[in-house]
Amino acid sequence: DAGVTQSPTHLIKTRGQQVTLRCSPISGHKSVSWYQQVLGQGPQFIFQYYEKEERGRGNFPDRFSARQFPNYSSELNVNALLLGDSALYLCASSPGGLRTGELFFGEGSRLTVL
Amino acid sequence: AQSVTQPDIHITVSEGASLELRCNYSYGATPYLFWYVQSPGQGLQLLLKYFSGDTLVQGIKGFEAEFKRSQSSFNLRKPSVHWSDAAEYFCAVHNQAGTALIFGKGTTLSVSS
Repeated sequence: DAGVTQSPTHLIKTRGQQVTLRCSPISGHKSVSWYQQVLGQGPQFIFQYYEKEERGRGNFPDRFSARQFPNYSSELNVNALLLGDSALYLCASSPGGLRTGELFFGEGSRLTVL
Repeated sequence: AQSVTQPDIHITVSEGASLELRCNYSYGATPYLFWYVQSPGQGLQLLLKYFSGDTLVQGIKGFEAEFKRSQSSFNLRKPSVHWSDAAEYFCAVHNQAGTALIFGKGTTLSVSS
């Protein structure tokens, strides 16, 4: 079975631009979460979606938004990019329920902002 | 607020030697605890988890961890390290809402021959 897939794997943007990152969860998983991992740090929680509704949000500005589609895939959007947004963006899925339990991570999308 | 502390930023262990990575957590109730491993340029792979029950949990790749409530610790151990174990290790705890994992800053493990 396919794991969590993310696209693109790498991308370069300039300050002020907008970016959309995509994630497909493991088949049968209804919950998708997004994390930001800055170099040398642990992942930081951005969003959790379950059954297409936002269930949790981390301490990130409104420039960050996300959505989940009927097929449970998800997109993360970041507007007005800043240099500090350069990071590895990780998507994770879990089988379901309000408690995320064990998360299964994709390999991430590495965003570089110049 | 919940938090996770991994006191050791970088550890070097000789191949074949034993390993213990430390993790301390702050949480008001019975925590859900996790250890993940991340190889360079890769996503995170779950090594093991603790939800309840036996405080010594076994994971993949020969790893184990022991939950000690009195010490607020969840240390990761392996009796004999292999060169392929060199990676970044993250301890994590569920937030109280159950919507997210809170990660420590990680410990980088290097294995010397």
